[in-house]
Amino acid sequence: DTGVSQNPRHKITKRGQNVTFRCDPISEHNRLYWYRQTLGQGPEFLTYFQNEAQLEKSRLLSDRFSAERPKGSFSTLEIQRTEQGDSAMYLCASRSGQGTRYTFGSGTRLTVV
Amino acid sequence: GENVGLHLPTLSVQEGDNSIINCAYSNSASDYFIWYKQESGKGPQFIIDIRSNMDKRQGQRVTVLLNKTVKHLSLQIAATQPGDSAVYFCAENRANFGNEKLTFGTGTRLTIIP
Repeated sequence: DTGVSQNPRHKITKRGQNVTFRCDPISEHNRLYWYRQTLGQGPEFLTYFQNEAQLEKSRLLSDRFSAERPKGSFSTLEIQRTEQGDSAMYLCASRSGQGTRYTFGSGTRLTVV
Repeated sequence: GENVGLHLPTLSVQEGDNSIINCAYSNSASDYFIWYKQESGKGPQFIIDIRSNMDKRQGQRVTVLLNKTVKHLSLQIAATQPGDSAVYFCAENRANFGNEKLTFGTGTRLTIIP
C-alpha cells in the first residue's frame, strides 16, 4: 500500500488552457474525494465518489470542472478554460466504507499564468 | 452555517515544551472531529480523531480534548520536537447524517524553536 498518489505534483498552465489531474486512491478504499486548498486556508470540499458514482458536488465545482472515476478505482479532475483564480493545491483523499479515517495524497499544485 | 475556526493563526513553542492548539466550532450536529498535520508541500496527515460522545482521547504524545458545552476542541502535543513544526487543522464531519465531506478550519502554524 503506497497511500494516495496524485499526478502531476505541479502544473503550470496558461489561462484558457485545459488541465487534467489524476488520483490513485488506496486500492481497497471505495470512497474518493477531491478538495481544493488555497494558500493559508484549509482544504475545501469539491466532490465525492462512492465506487464509480459521483454522489456529491460542491457549489465550488463550476461547470468548467468535471471529475470522473470510470472504473471505481483512479479518478481524474479536469478543469477547462482555466482562470487565474483556479490556482490552488488540488488534494485527493480516500477512505474505506468501514473506517472514518480519510487518507490524503500530496496534492497537485496548479498555477495559472 | 457550518464553521470550524481557530483561535490563533501562529504558535511558537520551545523544543521539549508542550503545545496546545485550539479550535472552535459552531455545528453541534458534528459526529466527530479530526486533527490533521500538514507539512509544506504535502497533503494533510491524520493525527487523531474524537467522537462527539467522548471528551478526551489520547494518542502517542498527543491528546485531543472536546468540550461540547462551549464547542471547543484542542490538541495537546507533549514534549514537542522539531518535526512537529507544521500547520495544524481541525476538521469536523457528520458522517452519521450521510454527510461525507470534511469541513476544515483555516489552520494554526506551529513553529518549534530549537
